[in-house]
Amino acid sequence: GESVGLHLPTLSVQEGDNSIINCAYSNSASDYFIWYKQESGKGPQFIIDIRSNMDKRQGQRVTVLLNKTVKHLSLQIAATQPGDSAVYFCAENSQAGTALIFGKGTTLSVSS
Amino acid sequence: DTAVSQTPKYLVTQMGNDKSIKCEQNLGHDTMYWYKQDSKKFLKIMFSYNNKELIINETVPNRFSPKSPDKAHLNLHINSLELGDSAVYFCASSPSGRGDGNTIYFGEGSWLTVV
Repeated sequence: GESVGLHLPTLSVQEGDNSIINCAYSNSASDYFIWYKQESGKGPQFIIDIRSNMDKRQGQRVTVLLNKTVKHLSLQIAATQPGDSAVYFCAENSQAGTALIFGKGTTLSVSS
Repeated sequence: DTAVSQTPKYLVTQMGNDKSIKCEQNLGHDTMYWYKQDSKKFLKIMFSYNNKELIINETVPNRFSPKSPDKAHLNLHINSLELGDSAVYFCASSPSGRGDGNTIYFGEGSWLTVV
């Protein structure tokens, strides 16, 4: 079946750096994408979403970029902080879909 | 106030036992889900209910049976537990079952360990 994947399982950065987490999706019918953050011992939390009619969306310190041509999604975190350390998942859905499909997750480690 | 709450948070049980995990959402959402997260952190949909009606039933053993008494509750019952059932089970809910804008909100998870 279709699935969403991530390029790297782990990413280590220094506090204050900008982080970029990548995701490749394979379902060309996907038109809605979400990034989730999962801290240790907790459930995934919504960070930011983007619809397929957009290629960029910004939130507080986070930016999501969507490239439909190459089916690529990325999450940029500005001025990464230790509290950003978590597992990050991209997820996708479509108008015909009935549930979000998740990628495998990238573990972000931020050192002081 | 917790939006999606599930109990118990931790459950250790022996092989062969039957156990249930309960879930409630106070968001007024129409759709609820059960996801399973394995040791590699991969999240996989198990079931989805929309207004108490089953709409997704992925390939899971029939030892797993969801029950939705009303649209705010979705419980998961597991019969004859096996070692491989050890995982974190997440309940979730969303405004609707599909498409654009359908953000899913997760509970805190139930850590099941079968010994």
